[in-house]
Amino acid sequence: AQSVTQLGSHVSVSEGALVLLRCNYSSSVPPYLFWYVQYPNQGLQLLLKYTSAATLVKGINGFEAEFKKSETSFHLTKPSAHMSDAAEYFCAVSGPQGAQKLVFGQGTRLTINP
Amino acid sequence: GAGVSQTPSNKVTEKGKYVELRCDPISGHTALYWYRQSLGQGPEFLIYFQGTGAADDSGLPNDRFFAVRPEGSVSTLKIQRTERGDSAVYLCASSSDPTDTQYFGPGTRLTVL
Repeated sequence: AQSVTQLGSHVSVSEGALVLLRCNYSSSVPPYLFWYVQYPNQGLQLLLKYTSAATLVKGINGFEAEFKKSETSFHLTKPSAHMSDAAEYFCAVSGPQGAQKLVFGQGTRLTINP
Repeated sequence: GAGVSQTPSNKVTEKGKYVELRCDPISGHTALYWYRQSLGQGPEFLIYFQGTGAADDSGLPNDRFFAVRPEGSVSTLKIQRTERGDSAVYLCASSSDPTDTQYFGPGTRLTVL
């Protein structure tokens, strides 16, 4: 079985500060890992995904995430927060080679303070 | 190109009624997924179609829920005898094949009074 834990249901940072959203996973098979963002009243949008190639993955809007097998983590970072980054962020894991269903974490709401 | 679309965007119904939620996937996408997102939670998997057949329906909570995709494109999620606990946002996603990125629609917000 697979699972995802996102540490911190709410994270608040100042504009221009580092963003760090934490995600730990559990998987019995080599996982594919994803970060999705959800803006109010909108669907989920893919930020980035890890597919067993490079462990440092760069995504859209300046976000990146690093896969650390030894720590079973896939934390999301952005060097400098922008007001437009305020949203809900979800980490997800899927089965072998990215197949089939996604298992999501509970989400982290990111607030940006001016 | 057009993304995944879902109709209606909002549905309010009374306890015990039957509802249908529709999903139009991205053209040419063979894989289609339904998820349910309750308030304050991450999406939870319901069912996955590959073509016309349900390849994995392990997430359907009970026999009041079922989904069809008769022509391998549009899918309908059907809920019988709705309960207040069914209130949630129902999300649909599609991908070009089961190993590819899933693209999500905006969801249908279902409220059962």
